[in-house]
Amino acid sequence: DTAVSQTPKYLVTQMGNDKSIKCEQNLGHDTMYWYKQDSKKFLKIMFSYNNKELIINETVPNRFSPKSPDKAHLNLHINSLELGDSAVYFCASSQDLKVYGYTFGSGTRLTVV
Amino acid sequence: DAKTTQPPSMDCAEGRAANLPCNHSTISGNEYVYWYRQIHSQGPQYIIHGLKNNETNEMASLIITEDRKSSTLILPHATLRDTAVYYCIGGIYNTDKLIFGTGTRLQVFP
Repeated sequence: DTAVSQTPKYLVTQMGNDKSIKCEQNLGHDTMYWYKQDSKKFLKIMFSYNNKELIINETVPNRFSPKSPDKAHLNLHINSLELGDSAVYFCASSQDLKVYGYTFGSGTRLTVV
Repeated sequence: DAKTTQPPSMDCAEGRAANLPCNHSTISGNEYVYWYRQIHSQGPQYIIHGLKNNETNEMASLIITEDRKSSTLILPHATLRDTAVYYCIGGIYNTDKLIFGTGTRLQVFP
């Protein structure tokens, strides 16, 4: 079983569209994250949720809205997609970050055309 | 911004030990040093972490200097599949996130 799974793996869409990326973890972790990796390969945190509560919200346009229906799921909805949103988005989870670190998903490659 | 310094790239012959250095001079006493790697197009993969003592697991060894200002990740017998970007993350400045730097691109050659 995949520990942290994301869907879809690839997403190609036109500018202005609204899209969602889903993430699920079966590790029983309390905290989940979204990271963005741009074309220069910098990996930057966007959001984190702990037990359905928003903990971290970095400087991200409000077109990006995370939603956590339960602690095993953290979805990312993006409105009015722009060319600059093209990137690989990684979901991750952790239980005790100071001790164990993250478990990452395999990523969703979003291409906006 | 990440508070670690790593060389941008390194090469290693297959079967030899790969020693990847990292400086983390601002790490505080209760903060861990983590190492992750990212193989092309995949999600980052946890390798090892440590606080003060040297650590070893099935993937690698981590040597942390006594003053904790630097560490070295050792892959004892590098294989072609170890070609990846290796990230050293030292000093967690927010209790709920790890900050990734630019890492070291390790190329293992035959």
